[in-house]
Amino acid sequence: DQQVKQNSPSLSVQEGRISILNCDYTNSMFDYFLWYKKYPAEGPTFLISISSIKDKNEDGRFTVFLNKSAKHLSLHIVPSQPGDSAVYFCAASVLGGGADGLTFGKGTHLIIQP
Amino acid sequence: EADIYQTPRYLVIGTGKKITLECSQTMGHDKMYWYQQDPGMELHLIHYSYGVNSTEKGDLSSESTVSRIRTEHFPLTLESARPSHTSQYLCASSLSGHPIQETQYFGPGTRLLVL
Repeated sequence: DQQVKQNSPSLSVQEGRISILNCDYTNSMFDYFLWYKKYPAEGPTFLISISSIKDKNEDGRFTVFLNKSAKHLSLHIVPSQPGDSAVYFCAASVLGGGADGLTFGKGTHLIIQP
Repeated sequence: EADIYQTPRYLVIGTGKKITLECSQTMGHDKMYWYQQDPGMELHLIHYSYGVNSTEKGDLSSESTVSRIRTEHFPLTLESARPSHTSQYLCASSLSGHPIQETQYFGPGTRLLVL
């Protein structure tokens, strides 16, 4: 059973507009969430993270929102640029937990159209 | 900029061969990880290490083995490759402590094709 779900396999957005990528989780023990960006044949690149004590974290064009009651987080990219076209993975972990690997969603392929 | 390296980047090999995928990081991170990813799927943790001489199996069962003799080096070995091992293998590392330091940084990955 997937603990981290990204229900949109792909998303197409016009250049300059806002891209919103969504992620849901089921494990209430998760307390640290990350977004990674991945180009084909490359490893994931860390973008932004948020701990469960916050509901928003912003870094330049990227903002992550966390709604703990809904077990939902989203990544906003404003404005979207052609270089943002990639697969975006949502990941979650339990800080200090026994197995320290991240639990990933299946990813959302973001396509920025000119 | 993350300094974590994987070799080879691509490997095509015949069934039954022994292979070792290399992973090295120069950031002094104590924790290291191996993930496996198939196209369109999530990354699955197959091995991790808390430090030298520490190795643990991850969530996804794997026939591979790992070793951690040096902090910076975390190789993965398949004794006898099979077509079912065809996948992308991603190595990552992180530093214990503050949540920001727990962020995992990934290498470029090795794409393995077993014929």
